[in-house]
Parts: sequence; structure tokens; C-alpha cells
Amino acid sequence: SQQGEEDPQALSIQEGENATMNCSYKTSINNLQWYRQNSGRGLVHLILIRSNEREKHSGRLRVTLDTSKKSSSLLITASRAADTASYFCATGGPMEYGNKLVFGAGTILRVKS
Amino acid sequence: DVKVTQSSRYLVKRTGEKVFLECVQDMDHENMFWYRQDPGLGLRLIYFSYDVKMKEKGDIPEGYSVSREKKERFSLILESASTNQTSMYLCASGLAGGRETQYFGPGTRLLVL
Repeated sequence: SQQGEEDPQALSIQEGENATMNCSYKTSINNLQWYRQNSGRGLVHLILIRSNEREKHSGRLRVTLDTSKKSSSLLITASRAADTASYFCATGGPMEYGNKLVFGAGTILRVKS
Repeated sequence: DVKVTQSSRYLVKRTGEKVFLECVQDMDHENMFWYRQDPGLGLRLIYFSYDVKMKEKGDIPEGYSVSREKKERFSLILESASTNQTSMYLCASGLAGGRETQYFGPGTRLLVL
């Protein structure tokens, strides 16, 4: 089964509001990554947070990681119409779990202007 | 900037045809990956390669094969295309598999009739 599961599946907000997406996973991880995908395009990397980190920022993005709860959240502040996209979390496990990323099914974010 | 290119954006093939999808990256990455993406299922790993002429099965390798003759190029082959292989195919490259960022191509949307 999938390692990462995003919640909610879909989110619709007004421009200027904050958007929060959550990701839960099941096994030990080396890192957790968030990617964005605009409709019909490839994925773009947003942030990588390692298992020994608790919070990371990049511009309007804030990612938290709670390894005790096996969960992460992505916060987009002051959202814009251009943030409309699908957002995926992906977990990178320890080497014994294989040298690969495992992706969740994604959250579809719609920002209305 | 890292660039990952895929040979086609859209492809229409008939059942039973042999299909080649090609991916090229320009960042000298050791690792390359092929995923397929289907609605509600996120990205699933088909095959990956950590070096020239090396390949490893991912989660859904059945019906696919790969070739990596040069470091920058990773090909996905559908030996005999079937309708259930209609999907979006995404190629990625990276320095270290699941432990670092992956860089994605724009995707190939394949329709098998």
C-alpha cells in the first residue's frame, strides 16, 4: 500500500487565504518531500525535510514533520490563483526499504480569485 | 537548471504495438526513474536505474522493460501495449534515489487503443 496519504483529497479556498495539506505515512523515513504538479505537467520539487528536522520554510511555504505521529503538513500562506495545482508528499525511506520515493495520491488545491 | 526531457508529450498507439518512451537528463545524475500516474493512485514506480546498464524493478514492472545504455538516457519499453497501460508516464532523475530531490520531465500521456 502507499506510504504517504494526503488529506484532504481536495481543497478550495479564496485568494489570500492559507492552505494546509497533511500527509501521513506508515514506516520509518529518511526524508519527506513535497511536490507540486500543474495540470497535465511534470512534478516540481518544493521542499525536502529530513527525519531529524521539525520545520522548514521556503518563501510562502512552511513544512512541518512529526516523526512520532508519522505525519507532515504543508502550509501555503497568502495563496494565489497560481498556486492552483495538485500537491504530493513523497517519503524516502532508509536504505533497507529501498532507494526510492513513495508518493501519495495527492491533494488538489483550487485557489479562487 | 536541471532539465529532464521526454521524447513525446502525447502518444497514441494500438494494442500489441511496441512502444518506446525516451528520457534524457542533463545533470549527470546516476539515478533515473520511470513512474506512471493514474487518477487517485498517485505516482507508482515502474523501474529505476542507479547506473549505466543497471536496472531495478519498482512496484509495477509487469509489462514493461527498460534500457540504460548511456548515463543521460533512460528508455521505457512496452513490449506489447495493452489498453490498461493507457496512462501518464513520468521520468525523473536524481543524485541519490529516495534520499534526495528528484527532477521530473513534463510527462508523456499515452493512449493505447
